[in-house]
Amino acid sequence: ILNVEQSPQSLHVQEGDSTNFTCSFPSSNFYALHWYRWETAKSPEALFVMTLNGDEKKKGRISATLNTKEGYSYLYIKGSQPEDSATYLCAYVNTGNQFYFGTGTSLTVIP
Amino acid sequence: EAGVAQSPRYKIIEKRQSVAFWCNPISGHATLYWYQQILGQGPKLLIQFQNNGVVDDSQLPKDRFSAERLKGVDSTLKIQPAKLEDSAVYLCASSLGTGWRDTQYFGPGTRLTVL
Repeated sequence: ILNVEQSPQSLHVQEGDSTNFTCSFPSSNFYALHWYRWETAKSPEALFVMTLNGDEKKKGRISATLNTKEGYSYLYIKGSQPEDSATYLCAYVNTGNQFYFGTGTSLTVIP
Repeated sequence: EAGVAQSPRYKIIEKRQSVAFWCNPISGHATLYWYQQILGQGPKLLIQFQNNGVVDDSQLPKDRFSAERLKGVDSTLKIQPAKLEDSAVYLCASSLGTGWRDTQYFGPGTRLTVL
């Protein structure tokens, strides 16, 4: 079983603050990295699929970067809003088609 | 466009009983996935179907879990008999293509509690 780690495990931020969290994964045999947002009582929602070293993707106030050589991806949220409160999951895929989720970062945005 | 549908949303059973979950993927999606998410852990892939064939079931506990994808559309996941450690959320997802770079669309999940 491969090690996909997310940090921090949880965080609380004030509305309007910007925040970021990390997904770490094995740097060898990289194929793709997925980011999902999972709000309580809802379906996980795909945010980004990242495939190339140096990739940067953006969706509204949320953006992500990818460094496959050192094995990490950052997810940034600019100007957090209460509706951003959710668990953010990353999922790593290697060239052997092995797919592993991290344990997630739980974000709470305090109004 | 309708999303991925799952039922039931919640299920409580006693250990050694059987249970089945149903998933209807997005129309036209070739690939269907079942995940198990135990509290405090990330989702774990149980089985992946491409159309009605199994692509990967390496993490499916085959002594008690079984799954099928009928006519390459709907899928059912069964546990027989259930154990306490099977308590988890079971997520179904589908993707249009067949590669691991394709976006996966998830259903709301079935929360199973085994007493």
